Amino acid sequence: DVKVTQSSRYLVKRTGEKVFLECVQDMDHENMFWYRQDPGLGLRLIYFSYDVKMKEKGDIPEGYSVSREKKERFSLILESASTNQTSMYLCASSLLNQPQHFGDGTRLSIL
Amino acid sequence: AQSVTQPDIHITVSEGASLELRCNYSYGATPYLFWYVQSPGQGLQLLLKYFSGDTLVQGIKGFEAEFKRSQSSFNLRKPSVHWSDAAEYFCAVGAPLNSNYQLIWGAGTKLIIKP
Repeated sequence: DVKVTQSSRYLVKRTGEKVFLECVQDMDHENMFWYRQDPGLGLRLIYFSYDVKMKEKGDIPEGYSVSREKKERFSLILESASTNQTSMYLCASSLLNQPQHFGDGTRLSIL
Repeated sequence: AQSVTQPDIHITVSEGASLELRCNYSYGATPYLFWYVQSPGQGLQLLLKYFSGDTLVQGIKGFEAEFKRSQSSFNLRKPSVHWSDAAEYFCAVGAPLNSNYQLIWGAGTKLIIKP
């Protein structure tokens, strides 16, 4: 069974801090994705990656960056956290042209 | 522009009753279509997918969905709901991107089950 693990379920940070959200998958998937989920807005894609060291901007990349140094790990970085980045963050992975598998999410609060 | 519409924000049904959740999409070609479910505080789980072939697709937990090209719809159905089906349901369309695809998501429908 595919396992996508997000390092934290809940995280509280302060405005201006640099925040790292980590995601690891154990199925050798090429694709990895970071979404944020807000009530009434569904899922919005922040960044995705189709290969190691490769990244592409999604629909809402502003204020975020990503890192994929190893195939199994995809990190989301909030360079200087702001209160409007308080949200649920979901990581997903997939094989090429196959359905995405999701982690349990990180609920991030920026105070 | 590609889009996915789930017209119902909330739906309330009685336990044992039938269920239909609506999904309409706007896309030029035949897309990949998905339904995911999210239980409270959890990530998303794939219920079923349509890539090609038979337009009636069977999924997990007794769910099915039917792709209707003429109506640009992919509605999710279940003949008899259980209290454990209370969750949020998301429809998504896969739009080709290079040799892969990118998901476009609906806003979700929250299913409430009355005892």
